[in-house]
Amino acid sequence: QVQLVESGGNLVKPGGSLRLSCAAPGFPFSDYYMSWIRQAPGKGLEWVSYISNSGNTIYYADSVRGRFTISRDNGENSLYLQMNSLRAEDTAVYYCARVDVYSRYYYGMDVWGQGTTVTVSS
Amino acid sequence: DIQMTQSPSSLSASVGDRVTITCRAGQTIRIYLNWYQQKAGKAPQLLIYAASSLQSGVPSRFSGSGSGTDFTLTISSLQPEDFATYYCQQSYSIPWTFGQGTKVEIK
Repeated sequence: QVQLVESGGNLVKPGGSLRLSCAAPGFPFSDYYMSWIRQAPGKGLEWVSYISNSGNTIYYADSVRGRFTISRDNGENSLYLQMNSLRAEDTAVYYCARVDVYSRYYYGMDVWGQGTTVTVSS
Repeated sequence: DIQMTQSPSSLSASVGDRVTITCRAGQTIRIYLNWYQQKAGKAPQLLIYAASSLQSGVPSRFSGSGSGTDFTLTISSLQPEDFATYYCQQSYSIPWTFGQGTKVEIK
């Protein structure tokens, strides 16, 4: 069964660090781009980052660039998000998602995890 | 960044109604437009990709149209399980951006 399972969310103080993980059993993980998306309490969706299947291409939202690092381990079928210098505005549910490519050009996030909650507060 | 604007922000409708949600991009995004459904407390689900292509497993009452800057998601006959929040998202350029969401509520 295709699924994504996030972990690592927690309560952390401003300025602290956290590492999120996303386990991806059930499909050929190394064939897919992957992405992180977050949702602040009561708010909409915000794309955070994506990484190509090989890990060679990475993009970040301006709001996290320089503080967050996306990575993957294709041997372990896992995606990661290292979050440093955390701020109150990083408080959100963080989702990992599989990125499918349709007709070679059109990217869509077709499988999502259940989310993991990050709370940044003193 | 490409701004995505949805309208309305919320709507009330009855089971069986035809529902239309609009998404406007701040610049042309050709057909690089996806639609997602999110039910309360759950992860989003991809409904439509490339503006009008139905994702596998999604009921045919959902349809998408548009190109350039103006897009529409239509639910032809609203079902009880369709009450949710809907988001558009552009994948034309980085950063990928979402609309603010449209909440579909029971009338």
